[in-house]
Amino acid sequence: GAVVSQHPSRVICKSGTSVKIECRSLDFQATTMFWYRQFPKKSLMLMATSNEGSKATYEQGVEKDKFLINHASLTLSTLTVTSAHPEDSSFYICSASGAGGKLNNEQFFGPGTRLTVL
Amino acid sequence: DAKTTQPTSMDCAEGRAANLPCNHSTISGNEYVYWYRQIHSQGPQYIIHGLKNNETNEMASLIITEDRKSSTLILPHATLRDTAVYYCIALNTGNQFYFGTGTSLTVIP
Repeated sequence: GAVVSQHPSRVICKSGTSVKIECRSLDFQATTMFWYRQFPKKSLMLMATSNEGSKATYEQGVEKDKFLINHASLTLSTLTVTSAHPEDSSFYICSASGAGGKLNNEQFFGPGTRLTVL
Repeated sequence: DAKTTQPTSMDCAEGRAANLPCNHSTISGNEYVYWYRQIHSQGPQYIIHGLKNNETNEMASLIITEDRKSSTLILPHATLRDTAVYYCIALNTGNQFYFGTGTSLTVIP
């Protein structure tokens, strides 16, 4: 099946710094990538939808200037958490769709990135 | 966007069938029902999806009622590795997933 990777898997940073998380589709070209956030014991919350070469569409309540999303190629999207604060500590998960054929609308999820802001 | 509701938690004996229900009474005619599961601290894993007809694959079966207002995911022979949170989601016209709270399934030895 289609594989999506994320890097890094874990990151610890100081408050006020910026952190970049990469999401890659390894064996297919992803026309759309999605970014989610998940707090402990909670469900996944969609943050933004990103189409290759276009500006990301952010969900209500998600600050686009704080969570910068770049989707410059069909296999790579990045999420940059700018000026991170402890309340940004969370599990960030990306997904990608566009694998083609019967799987075209299916989202394939990455393994997630655990961000801890001290 | 159709909202889905699921029981918060369920238990199932190892080796028995696990039947996980989902209500999606506001689903529209062209919204697919998807099932994913998430094992602790991992990304969600695709299980199965369907529109109107019942579906079966190597992991599970999906039974969708004729009026499409509810569905049931069936794991035919649950194992301990099936312990996870199971999410039932309606795929909207923007191809976006809005996750509900899911069902925490515990398979008991």
